Amino acid sequence: AQSVTQPDIHITVSEGASLELRCNYSYGATPYLFWYVQSPGQGLQLLLKYFSGDTLVQGIKGFEAEFKRSQSSFNLRKPSVHWSDAAEYFCAVGARAGGTSYGKLTFGQGTILTVHP
Amino acid sequence: DAMVIQNPRYQVTQFGKPVTLSCSQTLNHNVMYWYQQKSSQAPKLLFHYYDKDFNNEADTPDNFQSRRPNTSFCFLDIRSPGLGDTAMYLCATSRDLAGEETQYFGPGTRLLVL
Repeated sequence: AQSVTQPDIHITVSEGASLELRCNYSYGATPYLFWYVQSPGQGLQLLLKYFSGDTLVQGIKGFEAEFKRSQSSFNLRKPSVHWSDAAEYFCAVGARAGGTSYGKLTFGQGTILTVHP
Repeated sequence: DAMVIQNPRYQVTQFGKPVTLSCSQTLNHNVMYWYQQKSSQAPKLLFHYYDKDFNNEADTPDNFQSRRPNTSFCFLDIRSPGLGDTAMYLCATSRDLAGEETQYFGPGTRLLVL
């Protein structure tokens, strides 16, 4: 079964600093990978996704993520954080064709980002 | 704007009193999902519809039911809510049931069971 680990429950950065949120996955093949953001009391919004090809993926709001097969990782980065980036971030895995998990997302536990002025 | 709408945004109910949460979408997507998200936890899939076909997750309690009367609407019924059902309930849609499909989420309904 697929699984996702986000090792950092809570990260605090200063506004303007760079950011990296970690995500490790477990899956038998190359999965579909997603990053979602959830602002307080809101639903989830897709930041970016990786299916194949270029391992560096650009998303909305200046975010990017890099797929590293050798490390089973899909870390999210932003060069300069804005106060409005404060939210909870979820990494998720989608299974490729076949099996009972096809079409379903498995989420990590989430990382809460706090931004200090 | 095409979107996923959930009503109500907040719901308070009493222990054991049935409650229904509503989700509608203007995306004309084939798949609709219901997730439960407890405080500080990841969203957990309860079930999904692919068109009219219902798929229940193995560990979803029988207390949770769902209806999809048409493409646009999907309902989550909790027949006898317990205190442990206090959570955010998220509805999501996707164009198709495939691993690469983006899921589009509504704003959620925050349910409090007293």
